[in-house]
Amino acid sequence: AQSVTQLDSHVSVSEGTPVLLRCNYSSSYSPSLFWYVQHPNKGLQLLLKYTSAATLVKGINGFEAEFKKSETSFHLTKPSAHMSDAAEYFCVVSGWRQLTFGSGTQLTVLP
Amino acid sequence: DTGVSQNPRHKITKRGQNVTFRCDPISEHNRLYWYRQTLGQGPEFLTYFQNEAQLEKSRLLSDRFSAERPKGSFSTLEIQRTEQGDSAMYLCASSLTERGAAVEQFFGPGTRLTVL
Repeated sequence: AQSVTQLDSHVSVSEGTPVLLRCNYSSSYSPSLFWYVQHPNKGLQLLLKYTSAATLVKGINGFEAEFKKSETSFHLTKPSAHMSDAAEYFCVVSGWRQLTFGSGTQLTVLP
Repeated sequence: DTGVSQNPRHKITKRGQNVTFRCDPISEHNRLYWYRQTLGQGPEFLTYFQNEAQLEKSRLLSDRFSAERPKGSFSTLEIQRTEQGDSAMYLCASSLTERGAAVEQFFGPGTRLTVL
């Protein structure tokens, strides 16, 4: 069985400052991990995925995430937040036939 | 637009009525998934098809929920005798089949169900 815990339900940052969204996972085997973003009234969009290749994964819109097996973490970062980054972010672990989502982190970007 | 489409986008119904939602996946995708998302939560897996075969349905929330994919293309999700607790966003996703790799699922915009 696998599970995901997103450690913050809400994160607020100022525009131009770094973003850190935290995620811990639990999996009985080597996991595949994703971050998805959900803008209001829009479908879920894949930001990036980890598939046991490089531990530092680069995604779209300047986001990246680092897989740390020893810490069972897959935190999402971005060096400089933009107003358009305001959205809900989901950390996801892939099972055999389904995705298991975390409860989400709402990112607010302040001007 | 060649993405995943869902219809209707919104559905308001009275308790006890039956509702049916449709999902049209990306045309070359052979896998199709249904999820439910309630307010403040991440999507929750319901069921999954590979072509027309429903390979996982144990996560359907009750026997009032059923899904079909009759020709391996579009799919429908039906809820019978709706209850107020069924109010949620119902999401559909599709993907290719890839061995040994993390398969990206492409999501539709969802159908928001409100049961009065």
